[in-house]
Amino acid sequence: NAGVTQTPKFQVLKTGQSMTLQCAQDMNHNSMYWYRQDPGMGLRLIYYSASEGTTDKGEVPNGYNVSRLNKREFSLRLESAAPSQTSVYFCASIQGITGELFFGEGSRLTVL
Amino acid sequence: DQQVKQNSPSLSVQEGRISILNCDYTNSMFDYFLWYKKYPAEGPTFLISISSIKDKNEDGRFTVFLNKSAKHLSLHIVPSQPGDSAVYFCAASASEYGNKLVFGAGTILRVKS
Repeated sequence: NAGVTQTPKFQVLKTGQSMTLQCAQDMNHNSMYWYRQDPGMGLRLIYYSASEGTTDKGEVPNGYNVSRLNKREFSLRLESAAPSQTSVYFCASIQGITGELFFGEGSRLTVL
Repeated sequence: DQQVKQNSPSLSVQEGRISILNCDYTNSMFDYFLWYKKYPAEGPTFLISISSIKDKNEDGRFTVFLNKSAKHLSLHIVPSQPGDSAVYFCAASASEYGNKLVFGAGTILRVKS
């Protein structure tokens, strides 16, 4: 059981380049989330999808777009990367309302 | 404005002793609290949780205490083991807000053998 899988694990971009972070979960969870982790800031919610076909902004959505492709997959896109988007990105999923998120291993993104 | 605060960036404890990690929150709507543990190069993993209707929840060596009047919760690890060395995140959610988790900045725990 793979759980939550993120790709790529590492990526270096130049300012202005675009890229998409992929996330897939095999636990049949309804809700999926994208967080970013920065030193001293904890984990901050970028976007989430409460169910297939719906997406909503979180705390720090600027500069990002998301797509809930199907129940399994939730992608995060940076259209024009900026150095401020250098971070570690985590995808997570949850079935119900207990708040216990299952996280992927993270994707470390560096924007030069 | 951080709604969930972990004011100690790091904590160092001797193996076998108690580790106490603290967390404060400001939003009185929060009704569910969780602790996550994170090792380097891995995603956070769920450790223990507590509902606002309780003041204590215990799971093996881990106990979470909730003081609603003080808007404070703490995680106790007894006895501490070297394998407990990790970053610990406190998180809170409110059913009013769709149960989205709000995380603290994390506390690095080092357990010395």
